[in-house]
Amino acid sequence: KAGVTQTPRYLIKTRGQQVTLSCSPISGHRSVSWYQQTPGQGLQFLFEYFSETQRNKGNFPGRFSGRQFSNSRSEMNVSTLELGDSALYLCASSLLPGLIGGDDYEQFFGPGTRLTVL
Amino acid sequence: AQSVTQLDSHVSVSEGTPVLLRCNYSSSYSPSLFWYVQHPNKGLQLLLKYTSAATLVKGINGFEAEFKKSETSFHLTKPSAHMSDAAEYFCVVTLPRGATNKLIFGTGTLLAVQP
Repeated sequence: KAGVTQTPRYLIKTRGQQVTLSCSPISGHRSVSWYQQTPGQGLQFLFEYFSETQRNKGNFPGRFSGRQFSNSRSEMNVSTLELGDSALYLCASSLLPGLIGGDDYEQFFGPGTRLTVL
Repeated sequence: AQSVTQLDSHVSVSEGTPVLLRCNYSSSYSPSLFWYVQHPNKGLQLLLKYTSAATLVKGINGFEAEFKKSETSFHLTKPSAHMSDAAEYFCVVTLPRGATNKLIFGTGTLLAVQP
């Protein structure tokens, strides 16, 4: 079974531009979460989606948005890019939302999209 | 609120010697705790998880961790380090069953394994 796929793997943008990152979960997984990883702030939760609905949102400005499609694929968008948005953006999928207890809830991470803002 | 503190940002061991990566947690609820590993240019991989069952949890690649409520700790150990263990390790806490998929990560411990 293929793992979580994120595209593109690398992206270079300039300040003020916008960017869209894509995540394809493992086949059959319906829950997708996004995380931002930076050297200064570490790994921080962005959003969580299930059945095309956002279930939870992290403490990020409104420039960060996301959505989930009916096939469970997810996209996140960052508008008006700032230098501080340079980061590794990680997507994770799980069979179901919620966590704990069997493998149904384990989150599987993709390799990430490395975004550089110049 | 939930949080985790990884007490060492860098740990260096020799191949074949024991590994200890320390993690303390804070949680208003009985937490679920995880250890993830991240190899360079790779995604995060789950090593092991504690979900209120056995307090000693065994994971992949010979790693294990013990949940100690009295010490609010969840330290990761391995009896004998291998060169392939060199990576960054994250201690993670989340809310109890079903509440959310939101994972709260520690700041990470970079493990170096010397030959």
